Amino acid sequence: DIVMTQGALPNPVPSGESVSITCRSSKSLLYSDGKTYLNWYLQRPGQSPQLLIYWMSTRASGVSDRFSGSGSGTDFTLKISGVEAEDVGVYYCQQGLEFPFTFGSGTKLEIK
Amino acid sequence: QVQLKESGPGLVQPSQTLSLTCTVSGFSLTSYTVSWVRQPPGKGLEWIGAIWSGGSTDYNSALKSRLSISRDTSKSQVLLKMNSLQTEDTAIYFCTRVRRMSFDYWGQGVMVTVSS
Repeated sequence: DIVMTQGALPNPVPSGESVSITCRSSKSLLYSDGKTYLNWYLQRPGQSPQLLIYWMSTRASGVSDRFSGSGSGTDFTLKISGVEAEDVGVYYCQQGLEFPFTFGSGTKLEIK
Repeated sequence: QVQLKESGPGLVQPSQTLSLTCTVSGFSLTSYTVSWVRQPPGKGLEWIGAIWSGGSTDYNSALKSRLSISRDTSKSQVLLKMNSLQTEDTAIYFCTRVRRMSFDYWGQGVMVTVSS
């Protein structure tokens, strides 16, 4: 199975600051079609996860442009430009390259 | 609009079988894949399995021997059955739509507690 490893944030983060959440995969997620199958989700407290980013850097419909994804085949970053109160929650990366689909353990964001 | 809703018993006894239903609307099961994901209390997300638009299935190998996912397209429902439940199967169970190998819509989830 592909192991997804996420970094932590120095919580709490001051409102308006920009943060980067890291994720690393144990295998390259770059497929032969040229797409990198790395997705990002936000799970707000008490809610279901919501898709933020797919194919490593494409924002899902309706997602604020404050969220951006980048990376290589195995190292990925989700950047939030100017955190706001509504960004509080746990962020998960997930690989969609092969079964079983696997998630990172999550990165919690708290805001000061 | 796209919606998914899970239903099923909140409490299951150890060693018994869990049966959950995911009822979808706003899309067709013959056009999209539906997947199940679970989350133990206070923990992270675990992919359980999926049923593809063509009807084939894929399962998490760690759960495969206990798992069955099927569908009733006439009712727009996806069914999850997991047998030999243990306390570590206690979790919120989500059904999700799969698109571009990501989970683009999620149900609200159903809490399942395994306890005698």
